[in-house]
Amino acid sequence: QQQVKQSPQSLIVQKGGISIINCAYENTAFDYFPWYQQFPGKGPALLIAIRPDVSEKKEGRFTISFNKSAKQFSLHIMDSQPGDSATYFCAASMGTGTASKLTFGTGTRLQVTL
Amino acid sequence: NAGVTQTPKFRVLKTGQSMTLLCAQDMNHEYMYWYRQDPGMGLRLIHYSVGEGTTAKGEVPDGYNVSRLKKQNFLLGLESAAPSQTSVYFCASSYMAAGTEAFFGQGTRLTVV
Repeated sequence: QQQVKQSPQSLIVQKGGISIINCAYENTAFDYFPWYQQFPGKGPALLIAIRPDVSEKKEGRFTISFNKSAKQFSLHIMDSQPGDSATYFCAASMGTGTASKLTFGTGTRLQVTL
Repeated sequence: NAGVTQTPKFRVLKTGQSMTLLCAQDMNHEYMYWYRQDPGMGLRLIHYSVGEGTTAKGEVPDGYNVSRLKKQNFLLGLESAAPSQTSVYFCASSYMAAGTEAFFGQGTRLTVV
């Protein structure tokens, strides 16, 4: 049972273009939606996160768009750069006072070409 | 400040052998986690701990055991390794409960032949 569905599996974008990765979730109890970035041979690292009380969050070139009614959220990378080439994971967790048991999507491998 | 450190980084086991993966964090985090990463499947939670002396099962706990005898360490054990346990294992820790950043180690690549 996959609670967080991520697409596409891979993505090739030209330098300067916009990268868009989408995720959909099933459990309406989720209340924290982070995106993690992973470079080859490294562990994932938090990129940006959002809570369902806002519809958008922007940090530099990275933006999360959140649609609570559709149970979807997406990552937009503006002016994509070769250094953004990595695997991106969306995730979700729920509850307070409990361990942050993140449920991850299956990942999107992004390649930004020159 | 090393963050989350995993030992070893690579290991090859024969079917049936046992081993322990060590995770150490120096951030005084209460919560620690073990995930496995497999192609096309994302990261799946194996076991986690909400504090020293506690452990709990995650999504895919079968074939693994864990211990959290000290706050800074979280051990993952494989008693009898199977080829299906070939994977990259990541340890993570977080300061507070749900909704806060999880910090990951660099991973342990385990191959069971």
